[in-house]
Amino acid sequence: EDQVTQSPEALRLQEGESSSLNCSYTVSGLRGLFWYRQDPGKGPEFLFTLYSAGEEKEKERLKATLTKKESFLHITAPKPEDSATYLCAVQPASLSGSARQLTFGSGTQLTVLP
Amino acid sequence: SAVISQKPSRDICQRGTSLTIQCQVDSQVTMMFWYRQQPGQSLTLIATANQGSEATYESGFVIDKFPISRPNLTFSTLTVSNMSPEDSSIYLCSVLTGRYGYTFGSGTRLTVV
Repeated sequence: EDQVTQSPEALRLQEGESSSLNCSYTVSGLRGLFWYRQDPGKGPEFLFTLYSAGEEKEKERLKATLTKKESFLHITAPKPEDSATYLCAVQPASLSGSARQLTFGSGTQLTVLP
Repeated sequence: SAVISQKPSRDICQRGTSLTIQCQVDSQVTMMFWYRQQPGQSLTLIATANQGSEATYESGFVIDKFPISRPNLTFSTLTVSNMSPEDSSIYLCSVLTGRYGYTFGSGTRLTVV
């Protein structure tokens, strides 16, 4: 069974204080690992897809990295508008009809204080 | 990426009644997904809806409780039937949009009283 564990559950940072969020996963072959941002009362917003160990992607103050067992979302010099819940999800490399579904972690609630 | 219009955005319903949630996509998609997000928790897949065939439900979810329609490649509905307070959640639809991964609707916040 695919499993995704995110840590910490909640993180409070001062503006400008860089940190990392962790996503550990167990999957029978990885097709893709996804990072999403979710603001209160809204649906998840796509950030990144990572496909293979060693891959990195960046967008503004965010950088996502991937190893064979975990992914990190690094936040450099965060601003209050980065406050949100960050979700990690994996898609298995199964060839069955269920191959396209995602398994989500429980998320990290990030608060950036001014 | 695709744009999804989901409605209603929120509703408060009496127990024992049913609510139908609609999702309209601005492009044709093969598969649509319905998720539930209970308070303080992450997303759980309810079912996958393909046009022209019965929806595929995940363990713990049944068609009688969550009937799904998929009449064409741009539209789907999820009905939450015979509601109880335990059904209070955010319900989200989603589609696979290639390089942009999965796009989600804005969600329907359901409260059952």
